[in-house]
Amino acid sequence: AQKITQTQPGMFVQEKEAVTLDCTYDTSDPSYGLFWYKQPSSGEMIFLIYQGSYDQQNATEGRYSLNFQKARKSANLVISASQLGDSAMYFCAIKAYNTDKLIFGTGTRLQVFP
Amino acid sequence: NAGVTQTPKFRVLKTGQSMTLLCAQDMNHEYMYWYRQDPGMGLRLIHYSVGEGTTAKGEVPDGYNVSRLKKQNFLLGLESAAPSQTSVYFCASSYLTLSGGDYEQYFGPGTRLTVT
Repeated sequence: AQKITQTQPGMFVQEKEAVTLDCTYDTSDPSYGLFWYKQPSSGEMIFLIYQGSYDQQNATEGRYSLNFQKARKSANLVISASQLGDSAMYFCAIKAYNTDKLIFGTGTRLQVFP
Repeated sequence: NAGVTQTPKFRVLKTGQSMTLLCAQDMNHEYMYWYRQDPGMGLRLIHYSVGEGTTAKGEVPDGYNVSRLKKQNFLLGLESAAPSQTSVYFCASSYLTLSGGDYEQYFGPGTRLTVT
């Protein structure tokens, strides 16, 4: 079974600053993928970034990067140069390669202020 | 290309009533999923399908049934609604997962269901 823990229910960051959203995971499967999704107040789920357990380099997508520390079982999302439009809920999720199920954490609400 | 669409967007039911939520995708995805989202609990998988004619249980399947008669559609049914089923329901779809790889799930806009 897989589990995701997001310990920060809420985070604040000033515009143009960087912010790190924490995610730790637990799995007994050797092969898995980690996902981050953004949910703005409008409600839709938007895929941001993916990291495979065998990927050697940390994933990056524009202003998003994933700080993957396999030994610590953490997959923190780093948002650089925060924008007001980054204010949203952020969910970390895990899926083992040999299963069909994506397991989500409880999310972190990020608020960006001017 | 509409992606993943859900019908209806909002619904209010009385306890004991039944309803069906429709999910449609036009991306030719093999996999489709139904989740519910409750405050403070993230998304939890209700049922999913790995292809036309197949369904499987997720984390919280009780009280729900699903059907995948066509590849592009995935229906979620509530036979006898209960207040505990008040939630926001999301449908998602993805490509077939290949060994050693993974694909992101594409989500619909959600359906807000209230059971009184």
